[in-house]
Amino acid sequence: DQQVKQNSPSLSVQEGRISILNCDYTNSMFDYFLWYKKYPAEGPTFLISISSIKDKNEDGRFTVFLNKSAKHLSLHIVPSQPGDSAVYFCAASRSIQGAQKLVFGQGTRLTINP
Amino acid sequence: DAGVIQSPRHEVTEMGQEVTLRCKPISGHDYLFWYRQTMMRGLELLIYFNNNVPIDDSGMPEDRFSAKMPNASFSTLKIQPSEPRDSAVYFCASRGRKETQYFGPGTRLLVL
Repeated sequence: DQQVKQNSPSLSVQEGRISILNCDYTNSMFDYFLWYKKYPAEGPTFLISISSIKDKNEDGRFTVFLNKSAKHLSLHIVPSQPGDSAVYFCAASRSIQGAQKLVFGQGTRLTINP
Repeated sequence: DAGVIQSPRHEVTEMGQEVTLRCKPISGHDYLFWYRQTMMRGLELLIYFNNNVPIDDSGMPEDRFSAKMPNASFSTLKIQPSEPRDSAVYFCASRGRKETQYFGPGTRLLVL
């Protein structure tokens, strides 16, 4: 039972354009969502998060949108840069406090073309 | 801070051998997590500790897997005996209160 799904294994975007990565979840108890970025041979690094009390969170070129009724979140990167090429993981947890037990999606490989 | 440190970075062993993976969390962090990444199952949580105490080991696949945290600065994940299907990248992560998780670089394990 995959509780967090990233249905696009890969995405290719031209430099300077907007990259949109999508994530769906099935567990309505999730109330905290995160995006991690992973380069080859490195561990995932935290990018941005959003609590279920919000529907948008912005940090520089990165914006995460949350649609609770659809159980869907998305990550927008604008403008996309070559250094953004990486695998992006969506993750969800049941509480921002405590352990933050994360459930990860399968990841989307983003390639930014010059 | 050096971040989360894992060793070894790569491990190649033969089926049946014991494997020990090591992790040093970020100083001051009171949660430590062990994850496994495979092509089939993605990134999945195996076990986590709070203040050196194992809290949830429901993700540990079998009794062949065990984890310990003897002090706040060191944890081990042991596989005994190892099997080819244990081949994966194993990540350790730590977090402090009101923070997100910081991951180590991972240990790539290959069991022949």
